[in-house]
Amino acid sequence: GAVVSQHPSRVICKSGTSVKIECRSLDFQATTMFWYRQFPKQSLMLMATSNEGSKATYEQGVEKDKFLINHASLTLSTLTVTSAHPEDSSFYICSAREPVGETQYFGPGTRLLVL
Amino acid sequence: AQRVTQPEKLLSVFKGAPVELKCNYSYSGSPELFWYVQYSRQRLQLLLRHISRESIKGFTADLNKGETSFHLKKPFAQEEDSAMYYCALSVRAGGGADGLTFGKGTHLIIQP
Repeated sequence: GAVVSQHPSRVICKSGTSVKIECRSLDFQATTMFWYRQFPKQSLMLMATSNEGSKATYEQGVEKDKFLINHASLTLSTLTVTSAHPEDSSFYICSAREPVGETQYFGPGTRLLVL
Repeated sequence: AQRVTQPEKLLSVFKGAPVELKCNYSYSGSPELFWYVQYSRQRLQLLLRHISRESIKGFTADLNKGETSFHLKKPFAQEEDSAMYYCALSVRAGGGADGLTFGKGTHLIIQP
């Protein structure tokens, strides 16, 4: 099946720094990728839809200047958490939509801890 | 806005017993429904989608538009079915699929 990778798998940073998370589709091209956030013991919440070659679409309540998304190629989307604060600590998961059946394949997630 | 409800946080059944994981949704249009499974320390995987109407690992789910439900069923549970199960909904907007709206998940435990 299709594989989606995320890097890094976990990151610890100081408050005020920026963190970049990469999401790659390894064996298929994805014009659309999605970014989700999962708090402990809660479900995944869609943050934004990342479209190759165009601006990302953000869900209500998600600050686009806080969570910068770049989908520069058909296999790579990046999420940058700018000026991170402790409340941004969470599990960030991406998915990539394969073009034929349109199934979403999920990455393993990135655990962010902001001190 | 659409919503997905999974009323059971935890469901424990004995091996060989039938399993039913409940999922209800609210959306005024025609959504696409999915079941995703997450085994311990693994990523989310697609289990079923309603449009394909297939059975995976013995699981089936039927979309009931009248009851706005998409319950997941398996007649005989196996220990390897123990996992976290998420029901999810997708709304097509402008011809393309939208991101998924997830339920809170049900932790299924199969006891030997």
